[in-house]
Amino acid sequence: RKEVEQDPGPFNVPEGATVAFNCTYSNSASQSFFWYRQDCRKEPKLLMSVYSSGNEDGRFTAQLNRASQYISLLIRDSKLSDSATYLCVVNIWSDGKLIFGQGTTLQVKP
Amino acid sequence: GAGVSQSPSNKVTEKGKDVELRCDPISGHTALYWYRQSLGQGLEFLIYFQGNSAPDKSGLPSDRFSAERTGGSVSTLTIQRTQQEDSAVYLCASSLLGAARDNEQFFGPGTRLTVL
Repeated sequence: RKEVEQDPGPFNVPEGATVAFNCTYSNSASQSFFWYRQDCRKEPKLLMSVYSSGNEDGRFTAQLNRASQYISLLIRDSKLSDSATYLCVVNIWSDGKLIFGQGTTLQVKP
Repeated sequence: GAGVSQSPSNKVTEKGKDVELRCDPISGHTALYWYRQSLGQGLEFLIYFQGNSAPDKSGLPSDRFSAERTGGSVSTLTIQRTQQEDSAVYLCASSLLGAARDNEQFFGPGTRLTVL
């Protein structure tokens, strides 16, 4: 079983739609959580951190459920520019390294 | 300021040859990471440096892979006797601190390795 699992998609949605991605992680010792974004043939970049209380950044909302060990990302009012692969990432502080999921691909259509 | 840089950006080599990939992290970042990403796949962790030491080499796929970091800055990833399955994009990342709560990693543009 992979340490971080995501539905690879692709998710094809029209502009303006709301779309949600989920991710599950296997190691209960995971302590920090992130969503990274990766555009085609580009390097990953941090989109947002995910906190237990949930957090919002404009059209993006991230949630963490520690009991069920899953993380979600909600994108409202999708834009064409949101088309990318979204990587779910967990961190165990004692390890110091990030564990990446396979990524979920989003295609926003006009 | 300057981000993470990697060289070469592309490398085509013949099976059996050795290759060396270079990473220049962001100045002042103590932690440096190497990942590999095959076509359509997620990131595969290879090795992590805290300063010049590598506390975690667990991801190196075989003993053909080695990495070093000198002066707490530049790192090189060496692949000996390359095989076709080594073809991938090799990504380097750095972060200000290693084991830290908000351990944002900044990635370089990667080196695309093709083994013929």
